[in-house]
Amino acid sequence: DAGVTQSPTHLIKTRGQHVTLRCSPISGHKSVSWYQQVLGQGPQFIFQYYEKEERGRGNFPDRFSARQFPNYSSELNVNALLLGDSALYLCASSFRTSGNIQYFGAGTRLSVL
Amino acid sequence: LAKTTQPISMDSYEGQEVNITCSHNNIATNDYITWYQQFPSQGPRFIIQGYKTKVTNEVASLFIPADRKSSTLSLPRVSLSDTAVYYCLVGDLENAGNMLTFGGGTRLMVKP
Repeated sequence: DAGVTQSPTHLIKTRGQHVTLRCSPISGHKSVSWYQQVLGQGPQFIFQYYEKEERGRGNFPDRFSARQFPNYSSELNVNALLLGDSALYLCASSFRTSGNIQYFGAGTRLSVL
Repeated sequence: LAKTTQPISMDSYEGQEVNITCSHNNIATNDYITWYQQFPSQGPRFIIQGYKTKVTNEVASLFIPADRKSSTLSLPRVSLSDTAVYYCLVGDLENAGNMLTFGGGTRLMVKP
């Protein structure tokens, strides 16, 4: 069975640009969460979506937005990129909103120059 | 979510048993304890979860004392491939939703 898949694997952008990251959850999983992991730190929660609705938001600016599609895949959008947005962006899926056993993808490495 | 404290790093040798202890003094009655493993440039991977006493699976054991203010992840006979960062998380399975709060984790280095 396919795990959580994320695309692209790597991405290089310049300051001020916009980026869209994509995530496909494990088949049957209806919840998707996004995390940002800066080098040397633990992942930080950005968003959680379940059944196409936002169910949780972390302490990130409005430049960050996300959505979930009818097939439960998800996109994370970041506008007006800053150098500090350089990080590994992780997507995790689970069957329900409750329960903290999540399955993570390999992430998208974003470099902002 | 309850805050957790773990050692920043640990060293071990192949074949040894490794025990990583996590402190969570403010754990709530409904909180579960979950451990994840992360290799460089990969997403975290679920290892084990427990509520009290001892839980064992094919990968690790989790020991939780009666007061639940700490927990110990035990990795039997580690190999070089167990070199990774290990995260301890504490949270309510029903109310925390999917918002996992990761701390800094414990960086385990297994030497030959």
